[in-house]
Amino acid sequence: DAKTTQPNSMESNEEEPVHLPCNHSTISGTDYIHWYRQLPSQGPEYVIHGLTSNVNNRMASLAIAEDRKSSTLILHRATLRDAAVYYCILSNQAGTALIFGKGTTLSVSS
Amino acid sequence: DTGVSQDPRHKITKRGQNVTFRCDPISEHNRLYWYRQTLGQGPEFLTYFQNEAQLEKSRLLSDRFSAERPKGSFSTLEIQRTEQGDSAMYLCASSETGDRTEAFFGQGTRLTVV
Repeated sequence: DAKTTQPNSMESNEEEPVHLPCNHSTISGTDYIHWYRQLPSQGPEYVIHGLTSNVNNRMASLAIAEDRKSSTLILHRATLRDAAVYYCILSNQAGTALIFGKGTTLSVSS
Repeated sequence: DTGVSQDPRHKITKRGQNVTFRCDPISEHNRLYWYRQTLGQGPEFLTYFQNEAQLEKSRLLSDRFSAERPKGSFSTLEIQRTEQGDSAMYLCASSETGDRTEAFFGQGTRLTVV
């Protein structure tokens, strides 16, 4: 599986946008980019995924670079409940297990 | 459906004892995954089922670990002769059959081996 690189931690203020970067320079043409997050004492939860085009859903937006070697998860207005570990994961086969890295720990201050 | 359910939520056991965890996936989800997570680390993949067939096993799954999914519904993960290094959160996830569908995780079982 291709690897991803994320900053260990990031900080944000409440109500401000947050841009969480992910580098995946060895991504293959069939790799999807998935984002999951894990709140304290919870299992991970799905946030968003995409292949080539930018994606939006009710939780976040995913901006994918034109060369697909990097992507950015965008939380438009951070809340205290968004404080979590965010994982960027590549997967190229339907149904195979997601391989998690250490992720980015996001802290949100009021 | 209330999501993926895991039981028990917490388990304390003495070294050398056997433990068994249960996972009830979201109904109609054909795929079921087990992960292990230690403090400060991301979840580590252990094994994966498609219906009742165990299709993939990680090298982390030593011969003391066994997982089953009889009838393709709930799954059990058994650890024999537990060691202190087995102390971790054990997470179960399920997903539908299809391309790249999202995985839904349970809240996990916290195992402490003393």
